[in-house]
Amino acid sequence: DARVTQTPRHKVTEMGQEVTMRCQPILGHNTVFWYRQTMMQGLELLAYFRNRAPLDDSGMPKDRFSAEMPDATLATLKIQPSEPRDSAVYFCASEDDGGYNEQFFGPGTRLTVL
Amino acid sequence: KQEVTQIPAALSVPEGENLVLNCSFTDSAIYNLQWFRQDPGKGLTSLLLIQSSQREQTSGRLNASLDKSSGRSTLYIAASQPGDSATYLCALLRAGNMLTFGGGTRLMVKP
Repeated sequence: DARVTQTPRHKVTEMGQEVTMRCQPILGHNTVFWYRQTMMQGLELLAYFRNRAPLDDSGMPKDRFSAEMPDATLATLKIQPSEPRDSAVYFCASEDDGGYNEQFFGPGTRLTVL
Repeated sequence: KQEVTQIPAALSVPEGENLVLNCSFTDSAIYNLQWFRQDPGKGLTSLLLIQSSQREQTSGRLNASLDKSSGRSTLYIAASQPGDSATYLCALLRAGNMLTFGGGTRLMVKP
């Protein structure tokens, strides 16, 4: 059945290390979002793409975060170097532009930076 | 800036009760409103989506309403079950594909 997939599901790393999270959107969905969820801030939009082009990344710390869509079936979110304050759950979501702008979320990547 | 508030933050009810979760927002210029469910350690599952021009949507035991003029949405759950225990989030879509989330209501349905 069609769903958004994310890898890895869990990641524990040390401060200063590079972290790459991957997302496979639902086939045919043209818009892909990256969100971050923390206890303090709740869910926040980091960036999103439409037809693989970045449209808004204003929610993302530019100095260490980068988001790309190498192709229509893969979105990546990279943190380099990682810091303890980056510990959070990172969600990817995709949306079908031809629909009602309904967003479908992946299971998330739980990142812990020590 | 759009602000989304969900009250109460937590709710505990006995099984079988009908209940209402509330969501209020400050900016009525929205495209749609979505209600999500999130189980502990899991992702978000979309429950209902109400378009800006609609007033309510129903799915099974769930009914969501939208009143843009008063900046409110409610999620009504009929005959609650222990399996309904989760965090419920409302989110508003506005210009620029910006989905703004409320803080959520943690629901516990006791057997």
